[in-house]
Amino acid sequence: DTEVTQTPKHLVMGMTNKKSLKCEQHMGHRAMYWYKQKAKKPPELMFVYSYEKLSINESVPSRFSPECPNSSLLNLHLHALQPEDSALYLCASSEGQGSYEQYFGPGTRLTVT
Amino acid sequence: GQSLEQPSEVTAVEGAIVQINCTYQTSGFYGLSWYQQHDGGAPTFLSYNALDGLEETGRFSSFLSRSDSYGYLLLQELQMKDSASYFCAVSLNTPLVFGKGTRLSVIA
Repeated sequence: DTEVTQTPKHLVMGMTNKKSLKCEQHMGHRAMYWYKQKAKKPPELMFVYSYEKLSINESVPSRFSPECPNSSLLNLHLHALQPEDSALYLCASSEGQGSYEQYFGPGTRLTVT
Repeated sequence: GQSLEQPSEVTAVEGAIVQINCTYQTSGFYGLSWYQQHDGGAPTFLSYNALDGLEETGRFSSFLSRSDSYGYLLLQELQMKDSASYFCAVSLNTPLVFGKGTRLSVIA
């Protein structure tokens, strides 16, 4: 199974809402990532988990809170977002943090109203 | 810091060959990867070069010159379905660093 799954596919939330994005992989990968992607831009790294521990936080605002409950799951908790946070949120995994081959999920299209 | 440069847009005719270039400036370098992303889709891995030379995978080939800090992706026998964005990405001792992407449009 070389698939990374993400739920939900689409999410619309108000600026006062709290929601969570979920990501799952069963490839035994030890590194998992959250990216934010705006239209016509490259994926922008947000967080990296390596062996279930947060190893990189790219100065992401605290209204985004990642969580790695186990080696297969990655969550992104959202609270008090701004309209400019509307984007495609991609989850990815790889064998290790420095691996050149990352497997991406289909993403969650987030709209903040 | 790291920087990658690739053309923002390329247009080519169906059945033709197109080359997408990528130049990079990095401190520490392991290799160059290429990813494809269709509109509304997720990036998917295409190829990786750690050593100088050409790697071929079907209609796609990728080349690396470490001494020139340069690589390219070559797409042969272009098909309409190849219309997508293509990202080069450098492997360092950190997660991948992506270039800004090249949007390829294949026309009939």
